[in-house]
Amino acid sequence: RKEVEQDPGPFNVPEGATVAFNCTYSNSASQSFFWYRQDCRKEPKLLMSVYSSGNEDGRFTAQLNRASQYISLLIRDSKLSDSATYLCVVNGFTGGGNKLTFGTGTQLKVEL
Amino acid sequence: NAGVTQTPKFQVLKTGQSMTLQCAQDMNHEYMSWYRQDPGMGLRLIHYSVGAGITDQGEVPNGYNVSRSTTEDFPLRLLSAAPSQTSVYFCASSFLRVYGYTFGSGTRLTVV
Repeated sequence: RKEVEQDPGPFNVPEGATVAFNCTYSNSASQSFFWYRQDCRKEPKLLMSVYSSGNEDGRFTAQLNRASQYISLLIRDSKLSDSATYLCVVNGFTGGGNKLTFGTGTQLKVEL
Repeated sequence: NAGVTQTPKFQVLKTGQSMTLQCAQDMNHEYMSWYRQDPGMGLRLIHYSVGAGITDQGEVPNGYNVSRSTTEDFPLRLLSAAPSQTSVYFCASSFLRVYGYTFGSGTRLTVV
């Protein structure tokens, strides 16, 4: 089983739609969680951290369920510019280091 | 404020050649890491450092060396390039464990 699993997609949605991505992780000792965005042939960029209480940043809402080891990202009112690959990332703090484990990403395509 | 700077952006090597991928950050981050990204595999951790003089192996360290003589620089050395090392390499840094990483723009390496 992969440490971080995501549906690879692609998710093809019309502009203005709401779309949700899910992610599961296997290490119950994981301590911090993130969503990154990666555009084609570019570096990953931090979209938002994910907190147990849930958090929102504009059109983006992230949720964490530690009991189920499940993370979600909700995008409301999708824009063409939201088209990218979304990476679920888990930090296990293994051996004193800052060990981020990345999912393989979910591809989103927003269409007119 | 340049962030994380990687050089070169593109490189072609012959099998058996050695080279160093450069990474520098100007944010006074303690944590730095090297990742490689291959299609369908996600980002995988090669080596990481929690501060000057301290390095450790990640998930796929074979064939690579690192050193961290200053807070700013974290070069990655390929000892004897192999076609399996054809990949996109990302350097990343972070201020604290609970924060996400800032990535450099990547080095696209082809080994022929």
